[in-house]
Amino acid sequence: ETGVTQTPRHLVMGMTNKKSLKCEQHLGHNAMYWYKQSAKKPLELMFVYNFKEQTENNSVPSRFSPECPNSSHLFLHLHTLQPEDSALYLCASSQDGLDPRDTQYFGPGTRLTVL
Amino acid sequence: AQSVTQLGSHVSVSEGALVLLRCNYSSSVPPYLFWYVQYPNQGLQLLLKYTSAATLVKGINGFEAEFKKSETSFHLTKPSAHMSDAAEYFCAVSGLGGSQGNLIFGKGTKLSVKP
Repeated sequence: ETGVTQTPRHLVMGMTNKKSLKCEQHLGHNAMYWYKQSAKKPLELMFVYNFKEQTENNSVPSRFSPECPNSSHLFLHLHTLQPEDSALYLCASSQDGLDPRDTQYFGPGTRLTVL
Repeated sequence: AQSVTQLGSHVSVSEGALVLLRCNYSSSVPPYLFWYVQYPNQGLQLLLKYTSAATLVKGINGFEAEFKKSETSFHLTKPSAHMSDAAEYFCAVSGLGGSQGNLIFGKGTKLSVKP
């Protein structure tokens, strides 16, 4: 595997379900990100982890719970979601989350549908 | 607040024609600027970035962009469009505010290429 991988690629869940999204980067990077991409809205940064420490929580509702056990893995735990949470969830990584010149590398995303 | 504006949510060109996608940023301090491309059902891929070296930046797939401080612009161009260029293009900035490494994205421009 190379680059940034995300599983599952598609997920359909009810509002009472609990599910998790997984992201793995094979680039040796130290920073990982979760973004939400909705139709007709700019990409929204949700969470940032730098060296496994959360450095950004962009006012995300508590029904989204991130976890970063090591610099290569990032999870997004989902529970009691709302239909408006349906979106493409993108994971990204970069060498240094504090360097504004760094390139972020994106995974293919998980298409989430909340019924 | 810092922002990125992409003029035109949808641009259509003929194959072989010039591609021009517009991006303006609002900041009193020149930021770092990026163009990403997203093909259907995929994540974002870096096309090119400006990190305060040369103002004319060349990227992949024949794209280039010019940083113009006086116009606060970073427009993306390609001399001759190809069918494979059909995708959504995102302009982004970093180096603004307290979270230096975070990207702020524009709303995106969808490029269609007619045969």
